[in-house]
Amino acid sequence: QKEVEQDPGPLSVPEGAIVSLNCTYSNSAFQYFMWYRQYSRKGPELLMYTYSSGNKEDGRFTAQVDKSSKYISLFIRDSQPSDSATYLCATDKLIFGTGTRLQVFP
Amino acid sequence: DVKVTQSSRYLVKRTGEKVFLECVQDMDHENMFWYRQDPGLGLRLIYFSYDVKMKEKGDIPEGYSVSREKKERFSLILESASTNQTSMYLCASSPLELQGSTGELFFGEGSRLTVL
Repeated sequence: QKEVEQDPGPLSVPEGAIVSLNCTYSNSAFQYFMWYRQYSRKGPELLMYTYSSGNKEDGRFTAQVDKSSKYISLFIRDSQPSDSATYLCATDKLIFGTGTRLQVFP
Repeated sequence: DVKVTQSSRYLVKRTGEKVFLECVQDMDHENMFWYRQDPGLGLRLIYFSYDVKMKEKGDIPEGYSVSREKKERFSLILESASTNQTSMYLCASSPLELQGSTGELFFGEGSRLTVL
C-alpha cells in the first residue's frame, strides 16, 4: 500500500464549478500536508499547506485535513480555465501523491 | 524569487551512455533533491543532499549517483543509461529542516530524458 493515495483523474469540469481533489494517507506521523500545482511542462509549485487537522482558506482555494480518517482535500471554488493543471498532495516527509489532472473548460 | 535551473529541458540518449543532469539554485538553500516523475507513479525521490558533499539515498537510487561539490549545484548521473530510465527528472531545493515542518520544495522546470 502506498503511503499517500491520490486518484489520477483526469477530472474535467465546466468553468465556475466547485472542484474537490482528495488524497488519503496511511501514516499517522504526518503532521503537515501540502498541495502543489503543476502546469504542463513545468515543475510543481506550492499552492498551500495545512498543519494537522482543520481548514485553511486562500482565495478560491480551501485545504482541509481530517486526521481521524487520514483524508486530505483541496476545494476550488468558481474554477477557472487557468486552474487546469495537475494537483499533487504531499506530506512533510517528502511523500507525494501521484497527482490529479484537472481540466476546466470554458 | 527562488530560481532552480535545470540545464537541459530535453535530452535523447542511447542505451549505455553516461548522462549528466545539472541543477543550480540561486537562494543558498541547504537541501537539494532529485525526483523522477512517471505517469501513474507520481514523484519518486532518487537522492537528496543536505549539505555540500553529503548525499542520502531516496526511494529509488539504483542506477543513479549524485554529486554536490558546491552548495548551489546538484548533479544527477546515470552511469549507463537504460530505457527504463526514460522519464521526467525534477530537481528541487529547500532551505528548511524538512522533518515535521512546512519545508517548501522549489522545483526546476524538469528535464525530459528519453533513452533509446
